[in-house]
Amino acid sequence: GAVVSQHPSWVICKSGTSVKIECRSLDFQATTMFWYRQFPKQSLMLMATSNEGSKATYEQGVEKDKFLINHASLTLSTLTVTSAHPEDSSFYICSAHLLQGYEQYFGPGTRLTVT
Amino acid sequence: GNSVTQMEGPVTLSEEAFLTINCTYTATGYPSLFWYVQYPGEGLQLLLKATKADDKGSNKGFEATYRKETTSFHLEKGSVQVSDSAVYFCALSDPGNTPLVFGKGTRLSVIA
Repeated sequence: GAVVSQHPSWVICKSGTSVKIECRSLDFQATTMFWYRQFPKQSLMLMATSNEGSKATYEQGVEKDKFLINHASLTLSTLTVTSAHPEDSSFYICSAHLLQGYEQYFGPGTRLTVT
Repeated sequence: GNSVTQMEGPVTLSEEAFLTINCTYTATGYPSLFWYVQYPGEGLQLLLKATKADDKGSNKGFEATYRKETTSFHLEKGSVQVSDSAVYFCALSDPGNTPLVFGKGTRLSVIA
């Protein structure tokens, strides 16, 4: 089946620093990837839609200058949390859409803790 | 816009009990419906799906039927196991490269 990886799986950083999270589709090409954020014991909230070769589309309330998304190739999208603050601590999950069907495949998630 | 409502948890059941987690949706078109499962500390895994009315998705003993007349996609399992303890998310998406809309999730705990 389709596999999506994320790296790193967890990261701790200091307030004010930037963190890059990678999302890769390992065995298929994905023209569209999605980035979600999940707070403890809550559902996933869509942050942005990442399209290969074009600018990401951000959901209302998500700061595009803070959460930089780059979809450099058909198998890689990156999310960079810039000038991280403790309130950015969360579980970030990416997914890739399989064009042949309706379903999305999710990465295992990246737990970010900002101290 | 599209939305998903699922029953609030947590749900605690004894092993071998019958499970139902209710899910209803609101959509303007003809979405596909999904159940995802999230085990502790892990990402989401697709449990089952249905892409059109009256379709039944099934996997690992879980079932859900796409009911257009009641806009529902309830998840059922006849006999739960301790290993089924997880958070279950109902979700929908429109055709094409569209993101998923999730329900709030229902935490299931199965005790031996």
